[in-house]
Amino acid sequence: GAVVSQHPSWVICKSGTSVKIECRSLDFQATTMFWYRQFPKQSLMLMATSNEGSKATYEQGVEKDKFLINHASLTLSTLTVTSAHPEDSSFYICSARDLGETYEQYFGPGTRLTVT
Amino acid sequence: AQTVTQSQPEMSVQEAETVTLSCTYDTSENNYYLFWYKQPPSRQMILVIRQEAYKQQNATENRFSVNFQKAAKSFSLKISDSQLGDTAMYFCAFMKHQAGTALIFGKGTTLSVSS
Repeated sequence: GAVVSQHPSWVICKSGTSVKIECRSLDFQATTMFWYRQFPKQSLMLMATSNEGSKATYEQGVEKDKFLINHASLTLSTLTVTSAHPEDSSFYICSARDLGETYEQYFGPGTRLTVT
Repeated sequence: AQTVTQSQPEMSVQEAETVTLSCTYDTSENNYYLFWYKQPPSRQMILVIRQEAYKQQNATENRFSVNFQKAAKSFSLKISDSQLGDTAMYFCAFMKHQAGTALIFGKGTTLSVSS
């Protein structure tokens, strides 16, 4: 089956610093990747849709200058949290859509971000 | 805009019993997909079952089946012969039948299976 990886799985950073999270499709090409944020015991909230080679589309209320998304290749998308603050602490999940699929999305295992 | 509603924050069931999780949605689309995802304590999202809106037949995957009522915009999940490993958070999700669209999730139902 299709596999999506995320790195790191857990990161702790200090307030004011930036942190980058990688999302990779390991055995398929993904024209579209999605980034979600999940607080404990809550649902996944879509942050942005990332298309290879073009600018990401952000959901309303998501600061695009704070959450920088780059989808440089068909297998890699990155989310950079700039000038992180404690309220940015959350679980970030990416998903990827196979080039040949109409509906299937494959989820990464998620990244836990803790900002101290 | 599409919305997905799960009205049961928590459910519990005994091993081997059957449980039904509810989901309703709102959309003006005619073609779309509906999904149930499972998120165990590891937090890895796992696809449980999928339903295409144009198919009248309810989807079934082993112990998991759905009751899809398109006119009522209802999409419930039935888990038969519940197992301890079914303990997880379950999310109902909607997706338009259009390339590049994201999943829209309900708030989730936490299911606890006890022995």
